[in-house]
Amino acid sequence: DGGITQSPKYLFRKEGQNVTLSCEQNLNHDAMYWYRQDPGQGLRLIYYSQIVNDFQKGDIAEGYSVSREKKESFPLTVTSAQKNPTAFYLCASSILAGIETDTQYFGPGTRLTVL
Amino acid sequence: DQQVKQNSPSLSVQEGRISILNCDYTNSMFDYFLWYKKYPAEGPTFLISISSIKDKNEDGRFTVFLNKSAKHLSLHIVPSQPGDSAVYFCAASGWGIYNQGGKLIFGQGTELSVKP
Repeated sequence: DGGITQSPKYLFRKEGQNVTLSCEQNLNHDAMYWYRQDPGQGLRLIYYSQIVNDFQKGDIAEGYSVSREKKESFPLTVTSAQKNPTAFYLCASSILAGIETDTQYFGPGTRLTVL
Repeated sequence: DQQVKQNSPSLSVQEGRISILNCDYTNSMFDYFLWYKKYPAEGPTFLISISSIKDKNEDGRFTVFLNKSAKHLSLHIVPSQPGDSAVYFCAASGWGIYNQGGKLIFGQGTELSVKP
């Protein structure tokens, strides 16, 4: 049963602490993405990776870090430098084999709350 | 600079009638457009897409129309059902813009409410 998994579903963090959000896919997709959603706003791209051991900053990368050591895994670390970390975080993946296959498929999301 | 805009934050429709969700874009380099449906506290689900070489794509109750000259696309849902109540996001991509594929630009979303 192929798909994208994110864990945990809900995460609480004390201010000043780093936290890592997990994202795993078994779709054999090339690219993976991290987005953030805030109330009343669309999805904003944090980081993306098109190939193992390579990743690019998105529109709001400050205060975040990622790694892509394996094709199926793309963890996101929210550091203490992120000013407003409380948000809903979404991971996605896609095949990069032509324009019409750029469709991204999303995981269920992780709600991060900073206390 | 909002390259993809959904100007209606919400839409209410009666069950059985047509729902029309609109999306405008500013960058003529976009060549692939998608619609996603999202329930609260869940990830978006891919609904339907359209390439810029087409002006219409249909999948069951869902039809997407693309008007390149107006830089406008719309999603039609016919007939609307209460289970369609969700937030709908349009998104756009363009290989030539970023010199690479895969990046999507999302609109702010439109919350659709279908009343029985």
